[in-house]
Amino acid sequence: KNQVEQSPQSLIILEGKNCTLQCNYTVSPFSNLRWYKQDTGRGPVSLTIMTFSENTKSNGRYTATLDADTKQSSLHITASQLSDSASYICVVSRNDYKLSFGAGTTVTVRA
Amino acid sequence: SAVISQKPSRDICQRGTSLTIQCQVDSQVTMMFWYRQQPGQSLTLIATANQGSEATYESGFVIDKFPISRPNLTFSTLTVSNMSPEDSSIYLCSAVPGRKNTGELFFGEGSRLTVL
Repeated sequence: KNQVEQSPQSLIILEGKNCTLQCNYTVSPFSNLRWYKQDTGRGPVSLTIMTFSENTKSNGRYTATLDADTKQSSLHITASQLSDSASYICVVSRNDYKLSFGAGTTVTVRA
Repeated sequence: SAVISQKPSRDICQRGTSLTIQCQVDSQVTMMFWYRQQPGQSLTLIATANQGSEATYESGFVIDKFPISRPNLTFSTLTVSNMSPEDSSIYLCSAVPGRKNTGELFFGEGSRLTVL
C-alpha cells in the first residue's frame, strides 16, 4: 500500500527557534515529493518539490531534504515566525501521477 | 503558476439538499482534480475532472453523489448531492498548469461546507 507517514503530529515552538518535520513513505514507483503549507481555512500552497535525484531544496527559511534510498524526507524551518503556524503536508507522487498525502504536521509558533 | 478561484468559500446547508461548487483557473490546465478534506484529516482525492468527458472517480466516490463537470480547460464544478452531516468538509479544487504534466499542483482556497 502506498503510504506517507508524518511526524510529529503536532508541535509547538517559540518564535525564532528552528524545527524539523519528518516524512517517511512507501510509495512506489516514486516520481517526486512535495511539501505543502496549509494555513487554517486556506488551500495548500507548495513549498518545495523534489525529484529522485535531488537531495535538498530550499525556499526561503524552509529547507527540504530527500533520501530516496531510505524513503525519508524532512522539512526544516529556520528562525520560525508566527506566520509559520500552519499544517505542513508531505505529498508523494508516483510515476502515474497518483498522489499520496500525509496526514500533516500542525506547527504552532508562539511569541 | 496558476491561480485557482473557488466559490462559494463556505456555506451552511440543510440535510438532503445539494450544492454546486465552482472552480475557475486563470489559465488553461491539463488536469483538474477535486479533493475532500475532512476535519483534522489530510486530503482525499474524489475524482479527476476530465474535459469533455465523464470524471474518473476514486474508490469510495460515485458520480451520483458527486457529479462533476468540466466543460473547458479552465472551469469545473463539483456537486455534493443529497447532503448529510457526514459531508461536512472542505472541498478543494486543484490543477496542473500548462499543456504538459509538469508535476506542479496548485490548489484553490477550498470550499468549507457545513451540513446541518
